[in-house]
Amino acid sequence: IAGITQAPTSQILAAGRRMTLRCTQDMRHNAMYWYRQDLGLGLRLIHYSNTAGTTGKGEVPDGYSVSRANTDDFPLTLASAVPSQTSVYFCASSAGTNEQFFGPGTRLTVL
Amino acid sequence: KQEVTQIPAALSVPEGENLVLNCSFTDSAIYNLQWFRQDPGKGLTSLLLIQSSQREQTSGRLNASLDKSSGRSTLYIAASQPGDSATYLCAVEAIGGSTLGRLYFGRGTQLTVWP
Repeated sequence: IAGITQAPTSQILAAGRRMTLRCTQDMRHNAMYWYRQDLGLGLRLIHYSNTAGTTGKGEVPDGYSVSRANTDDFPLTLASAVPSQTSVYFCASSAGTNEQFFGPGTRLTVL
Repeated sequence: KQEVTQIPAALSVPEGENLVLNCSFTDSAIYNLQWFRQDPGKGLTSLLLIQSSQREQTSGRLNASLDKSSGRSTLYIAASQPGDSATYLCAVEAIGGSTLGRLYFGRGTQLTVWP
């Protein structure tokens, strides 16, 4: 693995279903982030983690939860998906206030 | 709240032209400013990072400048090529708050370079 990987690449999901988007980085970065990107709205922060064991809410956290059990992994869970969560989701990481690196994204469609 | 604006929203130019993309931000209390490139259906690729104490950064045909006091940054692309066609995003990392490293993004400039 080099950098950040995300899985799945894309997913179509029925409304009301539970879904976990996976994110793994191999750069030993302390900070990790989840963003969603929507046409006309740009990238918005969902949740973040400054270090393993801690998480925090970003700009649009409702309907999402995260965990940070270790340095490398930062999964994002939609407990009960709704159509407004249709988006492209990006995971990112950084070593403090330094360059931020992004994963390839997960394209999620909720029907 | 930090707001980031990018002008123009779209730009179409012939190959070989030198380009300037503009980014402005409302709060000058920033750690750094980062320029990204995004190809259609792809993730973000970091191009340049300018720390708040720096005035500019260069990488190949790209040069980014930062004027923190006026809340402005420019990305200069020399001798543009069709392969430069992409959306260019500007993002600032704001000082303050509990979100270390949180980036505030502009909506991007969609660049098309035609042969």
